[in-house]
Amino acid sequence: GIQVEQSPPDLILQEGANSTLRCNFSDSVNNLQWFHQNPWGQLINLFYIPSGTKQNGRLSATTVATERYSLLYISSSQTTDSGVYFCAVVRRGSQGNLIFGKGTKLSVKP
Amino acid sequence: EAQVTQNPRYLITVTGKKLTVTCSQNMNHEYMSWYRQDPGLGLRQIYYSMNVEVTDKGDVPEGYKVSRKEKRNFPLILESPSPNQTSLYFCASSLSRGNSGANVLTFGAGSRLTVL
Repeated sequence: GIQVEQSPPDLILQEGANSTLRCNFSDSVNNLQWFHQNPWGQLINLFYIPSGTKQNGRLSATTVATERYSLLYISSSQTTDSGVYFCAVVRRGSQGNLIFGKGTKLSVKP
Repeated sequence: EAQVTQNPRYLITVTGKKLTVTCSQNMNHEYMSWYRQDPGLGLRQIYYSMNVEVTDKGDVPEGYKVSRKEKRNFPLILESPSPNQTSLYFCASSLSRGNSGANVLTFGAGSRLTVL
């Protein structure tokens, strides 16, 4: 099956710093999403981005489908950005089988 | 308010006692799915449903059943729970994007299940 690898596994930042999270996948996909899980366990969709670039406030994401990776950028990080960031993909040819990476745990210190 | 509602939120049960975790969404979403989250393993999909009466296995379906008789409900059934099914369970839904399955997923709050 398709492999989804996220890096780094852990990241500690000072408030105000910028960061880049990476998601590599081993096969062609037609669906890629980024999620944030806050320290209380709530999962929120950040981006649906199978290709191209999107921005939402301090967050932006880029997926280069031909090279099988996606990047999530967090600028001017805040303590509320802490949590775990997951990417998830659906392999091209599959329909609803969503495969998650193991996540990047981000801690933003005040 | 648009939401995905799971019940129960917390449950402690014993091996072999059948249980059902309910999931309901009020957004008229076609796509619904179940995941379990375990330390070190991340989120793994159990089952998904592209629409009413259409369900398919995810990556870890063993020991679970689902049904999709109505568009809004997608219950997860553990016929004979075992301790290795102790986990945090999430239900999610979205509009369908045809061949690419899920659109932007909305998650429920999670159900923490302990099987003794």
